[in-house]
Parts: sequence; C-alpha cells; structure tokens
Amino acid sequence: GEDVEQSLFLSVREGDSSVINCTYTDSSSTYLYWYKQEPGAGLQLLTYIFSNMDMKQDQRLTVLLNKKDKHLSLRIADTQTGDSAIYFCAEWGHNTDKLIFGTGTRLQVFP
Amino acid sequence: KAGVTQTPRYLIKTRGQQVTLSCSPISGHRSVSWYQQTPGQGLQFLFEYFSETQRNKGNFPGRFSGRQFSNSRSEMNVSTLELGDSALYLCASSPGQPGGADTEAFFGQGTRLTVV
Repeated sequence: GEDVEQSLFLSVREGDSSVINCTYTDSSSTYLYWYKQEPGAGLQLLTYIFSNMDMKQDQRLTVLLNKKDKHLSLRIADTQTGDSAIYFCAEWGHNTDKLIFGTGTRLQVFP
Repeated sequence: KAGVTQTPRYLIKTRGQQVTLSCSPISGHRSVSWYQQTPGQGLQFLFEYFSETQRNKGNFPGRFSGRQFSNSRSEMNVSTLELGDSALYLCASSPGQPGGADTEAFFGQGTRLTVV
C-alpha cells in the first residue's frame, strides 16, 4: 500500500537552512504537497510540486523531487523562529484517489 | 474570502455518546474531506464528499459517517464514542477533486474531540 515517511525531528539555528525529507512509495503519485501545522492549528498548504518537475522554488522555499528514488525534500532558507512547526509531506495517491500524509517532521528553530 | 470553518473548536463527550462535527468549506469549493489526527496514528483519511456524494472512504468503522449538503457544507458523525476516538478532526475543502494543481486541499482549524 501507499506509505509516506519522514524523520520525526529537526533542529536548526536561526538563519541557517532547514531541509526536511520525505519518501513515498506510490509511483503513480501526480502531485506532492508540503503542509505546515502550528500548535493548535490546522494544516496550512505551503507549496506543491507536480510529479514531472524536479524542482520548484517559492520565495524561501525550495522543493526538490527525485521521482526515481521517490524522494521529496523541502528546503527553507534563512530559517526563522516563526518557522517552528510540524511539516507534513503528502502525496496524491492516484491508485487510492486520496491524500496520503507522512508522519510529520517537527522543526525546532533556536536562536 | 473566508477560509474553511469548523465548529465547534472543542468538544468533550462521554463514552457511548454520539457527536456531530460541522465543516463549512471555502465558498465555491465542492469537495470536502475529513481527517483524524492523533499522536499515535498521525493523519488518517476518513472520507471525502463531492457534490453531496461520498466518493472515497478510509479504513474506519461504520460508527464514523458523514454527509454533505447542497451548499457543500459537511457534517461528520461518530456514534457510540470510544476513548480512542479522542483526536483532532480536520476538514479540508477543494474546488474540485483533490490532487490537482488547482484543487489543492485547504484545511480548517479542526475540532478537538475529547472522549472521557
């Protein structure tokens, strides 16, 4: 079945870059998404990438997709304390016709 | 443009009771999906409705049900509540079927249900 995996924690210093990684198993995924969840809040869509793209940049965010290895990453440049949150990657499972979420990566930014 | 609105935000219920949660999607959006979020299981898909029809369903028992009205508002119902149903229930709306560039899912703040 479809599975999406992420590392649980990432800790970075303010001003450094953060890289959050995600692996998925569904080779038929068409879109892959990154969501951010702050404490007590719902999920905020950050960005997405279509499966025929390798990279997408949106201000401080860069998404890299290695379709061969089924690996997705989110790079946050100049990480700020306000970026501290849980980040979820999600794939649209073409075979299951639904969004499959990863376990989430808790990003902690320290001064 | 208002975002996705979920009511109530917090709810405390007793085991055995039933509960109804409400979700108002973004105006013009026709698809509503529901997710359960728990520390142990993460985000689990419950079901998706599009134009009043359930199009997809996750692996949850029949105690979990939902419906969508003609104005796209959706409700989910959980009957015979169990302690393990305590979770954050999230609703997401999309213009059409989720999974496309113009149909990405936008989430509400969620309803935190505590079963005691």
